[in-house]
This record gives sequence, structure tokens and C-alpha cells, in this order.
Amino acid sequence: GQQLNQSPQSMFIQEGEDVSMNCTSSSIFNTWLWYKQDPGEGPVLLIALYKAGELTSNGRLTAQFGITRKDSFLNISASIPSDVGIYFCAGLSYGGATNKLIFGTGTLLAVQP
Amino acid sequence: NAGVTQTPKFRILKIGQSMTLQCAQDMNHNYMYWYRQDPGMGLKLIYYSVGAGITDKGEVPNGYNVSRSTTEDFPLRLELAAPSQTSVYFCASSYSVGSTDTQYFGPGTRLTVL
Repeated sequence: GQQLNQSPQSMFIQEGEDVSMNCTSSSIFNTWLWYKQDPGEGPVLLIALYKAGELTSNGRLTAQFGITRKDSFLNISASIPSDVGIYFCAGLSYGGATNKLIFGTGTLLAVQP
Repeated sequence: NAGVTQTPKFRILKIGQSMTLQCAQDMNHNYMYWYRQDPGMGLKLIYYSVGAGITDKGEVPNGYNVSRSTTEDFPLRLELAAPSQTSVYFCASSYSVGSTDTQYFGPGTRLTVL
């Protein structure tokens, strides 16, 4: 099945460092979403991007919708221990009656105090 | 609002057993989805529903069945459990289709088939 290529697979950083992760696809998406998943929980939406070239911030998080509509990146500035978790990108394509999310493979982030 | 709720949180099945994973949402969302998440992987769509009485297959529907008799509930049924169905199952819901729509996820059900 179709999946997005997400990198890096994992990151181990010190508190205070900035983090960058990205997703690429061979398909065009109408919307890009970034989710965070804490252990034992479902994914929680962090940022949604709706237009090519869009740059959106949510606190210390910044994400961009690539011009080609085939990629997106997420930056986290000044990381803190509670940023630990798995981050997933998801591309939303819709046609017909529903919207289907295609998920990336995830980036595991570990932050050392 | 409780959002999207799932039961049970954990379950261990023997090969060939059956079970139903429950999902409910109280946000009056039309659309509901079932995903599975295998270790180290993203979520894959099993089935989805665009409204009561309407369901359709996602990317990995084999071995599963769903029903949508009410707007609130969307149970997922495993008839003959197999080890390949060991996974974490997430239910999600959204209000409508469209570029501004957002899917909200439940906390997941961790299923092990031995």
C-alpha cells in the first residue's frame, strides 16, 4: 500500500536543541497533517497545512507544505522533554465520498534533559 | 465531550477466536475510520464509513468486518483471529470530507493473537 517516506526514523537530542523532520511522497496531496503520538495513546493533530507553500506555526512547531505538494517538513524549536514521542506526517487525498489519510512511517523523538 | 472512545484497551486472543472492537464518538461526526498500526509503522486504513448504514473497504480490509447502525458507533469485528492481526487498532472520526476536515483518534486497542 501507499505510504509516505518520512525521515529520520529516530532522533536522540539534548533538551534545547532544534529538530527537523520531513516527509516526501510520489503522489500529490491536497492537505498535509502532522500528528504526535504519545506511548499508549492515539495520534493527536499538531498542525494542518492546506495550500502549497503554506508555512504554519503552532507554538514552537513550524510546518510547511511543499510547493510541489509532494513534501512537507516539521520543525520543533528549543525542544523540551515532553516533546518525546512519535511524530507522523499524513497526506490527505480526497475524491468521491471520503478523505483518506496516508501516514508516514513515523519519527521517534527522544529528548534528554 | 468524551471524543472518540475505544474498548477494550488490551486483549489477547487465541488463533481462531473472534471478537469485536468497540468504537464510539459523541461529536456527531458523520465519518468514522478504523486503522491498524504495526510496530514501527504508520497507520493503515482498514475500513471506513461515511454515515450510518454505509461502509467501505480501506487499504487492508481482509479478515475484518464492520457495521454502522448508528452515527455514534462503529464496531470492528474479527471473525477468525490470526497472528498477523496482532496490532494496535485505532478508531477515528471526522465531521465531513474536505481540505479543512480533521480526523480525531481514539486511544487505541492493543490486540495480541497467540
